[in-house]
Order: sequence, then C-alpha cells, then structure tokens
Amino acid sequence: SQTIHQWPATLVQPVGSPLSLECTVEGTSNPNLYWYRQAAGRGLQLLFYSVGIGQISSEVPQNLSASRPQDRQFILSSKKLLLSDSGFYLCAWSVGVSYEQYFGPGTRLTVT
Amino acid sequence: AQTVTQSQPEMSVQEAETVTLSCTYDTSESNYYLFWYKQPPSRQMILVIRQEAYKQQNATENRFSVNFQKAAKSFSLKISDSQLGDTAMYFCAFMKRRWMTGNQFYFGTGTSLTVIP
Repeated sequence: SQTIHQWPATLVQPVGSPLSLECTVEGTSNPNLYWYRQAAGRGLQLLFYSVGIGQISSEVPQNLSASRPQDRQFILSSKKLLLSDSGFYLCAWSVGVSYEQYFGPGTRLTVT
Repeated sequence: AQTVTQSQPEMSVQEAETVTLSCTYDTSESNYYLFWYKQPPSRQMILVIRQEAYKQQNATENRFSVNFQKAAKSFSLKISDSQLGDTAMYFCAFMKRRWMTGNQFYFGTGTSLTVIP
C-alpha cells in the first residue's frame, strides 16, 4: 500500500533562518506531488506541484521554493523565512490521471 | 481562474440529525471533478466523497451524499445521522484534468462542523 511521510512534524524557526521540509512517498511510482500551505482559519493554498523529477510548477510567487531530486521525494525550502511563512504545510500525491489526492500528516511551522 | 467558495465558516448539528454544507465554484472548464475532504483535529486530510462533472447522478458514500447542480455550479454535502466523529473541518475542492502537466486542485476555505451530543 502507498504511504506518504512528512518531516519534521513541527518546527519553530526564527525569522531569516533557512527552511527545509521533506516529503516522501512509498508504494507508488512517478507520482504527481503537491505542496500546500494552510494558514490559520484559511483553506489550502497550492504552492507547488511536480509531475516528475526536476519538474516544478509554482502556483504562487513567494519566499519559498521546491525541488524534486528523486521520483518520490519532494522538498520545500526557503533561504530566509518570513513571519508570514508560518502555517501548516501539507504534502500530497496522486498518480497519473487519478483524480484523488492523498495527503501526508503535515508539518506545523512557526516562524518567530 | 478557478475559485471555490464555502460561505459557512462554522456550523453545528445535533447528533443523529442531518446537516448540509454548501459549496459553489466558478470555472469555464467542462472536464473536472469535485471533492469533499474532511480534516479532523488530527489534521489528517481524508477524502469523503467525489463527483465527476460528467455524471448527472449524485455521489453517495454511506451517510454522506452530495447535491451536484452543474448549471448552478453548486456542490453541497449532506451528512445524515451525524456522529460525534464527524466533527471536523470540511473542505470543498475542485480539480481540473491536465493530462501532461498534472491535475490541479483548488480548495475552499473550509467549514468547521461541530456535532453536539
């Protein structure tokens, strides 16, 4: 069966520090991968999605970037965090033309 | 651009009663899917139900059913016989199919549902 992992589960970082959140998927090949941010009291905002290694599409210009160094690995990064980067970050995957997304457990990021 | 609107930020329902959550969307696409996701306090997103736009029949999954009105671009979720475990944030989502570049998903802002014992 397929599983999706995210780490860390929680993170507290000072403003201006770098960020690296990791997402890995098991049990499937060539998944479409997605990063979402969920701010307090708001819905999910799609940040990035990827259909293959090295292929990243950005939905919203911002302080963040994403990379996909391996087929089942998706990384969300920042060189310098802003207070507004605080939120709950969710990774999700889908396969091929499947119309379902499966979500990871999420990472709670607090920028202080 | 696609937008998904959930106009009810919070709702409550008595246990065993029925509740309907509203969702409207705006799109010029003809080939799309609609979903309801549930996010309980654990924050894990769980798919509740899905609807293919080309199907006229409303989807049903046990106590969960939808009222899909394509012309009105409305997609409401009905929860029958509400249970305490239904307490969660519910998100309506729209997906447009993109064969080569990956399916794209758009979420509403959510409705927080509380089931009262």
